[in-house]
Amino acid sequence: QQKVQQSPESLIVPEGGMASLNCTSSDRNVDYFWWYRQHSGKSPKMLMSIFSNGEKEEGRFTVHLNKASLHTSLHIRDSQPSDSALYLCAASRNNYAQGLTFGLGTRVSVFP
Amino acid sequence: GGIITQTPKFLIGQEGQKLTLKCQQNFNHDTMYWYRQDSGKGLRLIYYSITENDLQKGDLSEGYDASREKKSSFSLTVTSAQKNEMAVFLCASSTRLGSQNTLYFGAGTRLSVL
Repeated sequence: QQKVQQSPESLIVPEGGMASLNCTSSDRNVDYFWWYRQHSGKSPKMLMSIFSNGEKEEGRFTVHLNKASLHTSLHIRDSQPSDSALYLCAASRNNYAQGLTFGLGTRVSVFP
Repeated sequence: GGIITQTPKFLIGQEGQKLTLKCQQNFNHDTMYWYRQDSGKGLRLIYYSITENDLQKGDLSEGYDASREKKSSFSLTVTSAQKNEMAVFLCASSTRLGSQNTLYFGAGTRLSVL
């Protein structure tokens, strides 16, 4: 069973629209959440991280975290065709090197 | 900045063959990882290493061996390639500074088994 669940599997968004992605961990020991973005044929790159309850905004990207429900969401406003990619949610525990557990990803397609 | 170099970029093997993938990083990171990605899906951890000569198994370690003989390099061996197997193997590294550590990925090795 996937420990990090992402929804939806895929999302089609018009250019200029809002994309909303969800992620929940079933591992109650996780402390930190990450969002990575992977363009087609490229390696994943860290987009945003969030470690405490609340909201964090960087440009057009906003992440929310609710630690009680182990749920995080990523919102992309004013979506651009260059935002078309696979978005991977990942979670890690509070130890220094176990690495990240990734979800299966949400594929976002932004059409002009 | 730094870079993670994976070789080869493409690897074509035969069923039953032993295949080795290599990874080098110049970030001076302590921790290195091997992940497997199938068909544009999420990543599964095969092995990781928190320091030179250390090896830790991930969720997908069966069928693989790993080696970390130097801090800067981490290799992965597919012990017996499976027919029609196709996947991308991603190497990553991170610092040792607590759990708030970003993973940096290499460009990947694309494996196809005939």
